[in-house]
Amino acid sequence: GAVVSQHPSWVICKSGTSVKIECRSLDFQATTMFWYRQFPKQSLMLMATSNEGSKATYEQGVEKDKFLINHASLTLSTLTVTSAHPEDSSFYICSASNREFPYEQYFGPGTRLTVT
Amino acid sequence: QKEVEQNSGPLSVPEGAIASLNCTYSDRGSQSFFWYRQYSGKSPELIMFIYSNGDKEDGRFTAQLNKASQYVSLLIRDSQPSDSATYLCAVNRGSQGNLIFGKGTKLSVKP
Repeated sequence: GAVVSQHPSWVICKSGTSVKIECRSLDFQATTMFWYRQFPKQSLMLMATSNEGSKATYEQGVEKDKFLINHASLTLSTLTVTSAHPEDSSFYICSASNREFPYEQYFGPGTRLTVT
Repeated sequence: QKEVEQNSGPLSVPEGAIASLNCTYSDRGSQSFFWYRQYSGKSPELIMFIYSNGDKEDGRFTAQLNKASQYVSLLIRDSQPSDSATYLCAVNRGSQGNLIFGKGTKLSVKP
């Protein structure tokens, strides 16, 4: 149980384009989903927290107009990196939790984004 | 003071030994504590969580929590080369379930 998928697993895009990453909870209803970014040899950095049906809460320093998060259903959240630049190249990972166990986060496999 | 602190390592232990990973946290109000394992290039995998003071055992893993000392540890018995990874300590923040992660300890188990 507690399986989270992400798509795509890797993506290469040109500078200035937008990229959408999907995060799905496959066998449970995810009331909360989290988006993280991880640069090489660094720890996870929480970007935003989203609850189903409401606006995401962004961490300080994360541009909400650049990183658009939608959590339209209990099993799907999307992160759109708009007008991507090379410095946005990173490993993006989502995680999900549910109401019964709100503190246990289960991670997706991650999406490696490379912006050229 | 950093919210969650871990020794970055690397921690090197021989195969079959006990690996001891430590973590301290600053927020006395924290209630939930987690250990994640992350292999290079992969996403974190939840291996243990602990909510109460004392020890919690699951197979070769034992999590230990001491809230008075704001300290949580992970013991790995009979360490295997496949245990070589970075171990992330995480502590809850607030009621939304947000976790604060330490920077992780890199463990290397030598055959």
